[in-house]
Amino acid sequence: DVVLTQSPLSLPVTPGQPASISCRSSQSLLYSDGNTYLSWFQQRPGQSPRRLIYKVSIRDSGVPDRFSGSGSGTDFTLTISSVAAEDVGVYYCMQGTHWPPFTFGPGTKVDIK
Amino acid sequence: EVQLVESGGGLVQPGGSLRLSCAASGLTFSRYWMSWVRQAPGKGLEWVANIKEDDGEIYYVDSVKGRFTISRDNAKNSLYLQMNSLRAEDTAIYYCVKDEGATMSFDYWGQGVLVTVSS
Repeated sequence: DVVLTQSPLSLPVTPGQPASISCRSSQSLLYSDGNTYLSWFQQRPGQSPRRLIYKVSIRDSGVPDRFSGSGSGTDFTLTISSVAAEDVGVYYCMQGTHWPPFTFGPGTKVDIK
Repeated sequence: EVQLVESGGGLVQPGGSLRLSCAASGLTFSRYWMSWVRQAPGKGLEWVANIKEDDGEIYYVDSVKGRFTISRDNAKNSLYLQMNSLRAEDTAIYYCVKDEGATMSFDYWGQGVLVTVSS
């Protein structure tokens, strides 16, 4: 199974400042069709997860453009250009290239300093 | 608006059984793969199982194989998870999730239902 590791696991942030989360995969997530199936999810306290980004860098509808995704192969990054108070929560990366099973990273908890 | 509403959770003893249901609306249910994803208290997300539009393919995470059964009724726009031989480690919130094939990802999630396995 593909193992995803995230760093840091805890990220205190200052509103208005940028923040980045790294996700590394135990094997390349490039699929034979040329796509890379790496997604990012946000889970606010007490809520269900919500997808932010799919195929590495495509934002879902309604996701603020301060969120961006990048990377390739085994190394990926979620960047928040200017953190807002509402961004507090846990962020998970997930791979869909080598399923079953779909696998998630351990999560990165973002909170306000 | 897509809505996925889970039901059927609760407290069950180790070794017991429980059946979760998910009622889907706002989408043509029969056109999509569906999954169950769970989250143990204070822990991360774990994909549990998924099922193809026509029941033709079903997959499970190793830890539930032989104990859990995913099924669907397209006429009722419903997804199910029959859970047998439950263990303490199955304690989690279970989310009904819509697969998005083109992205190999999950684009809609239910609010989740809590399953507690304890004596």
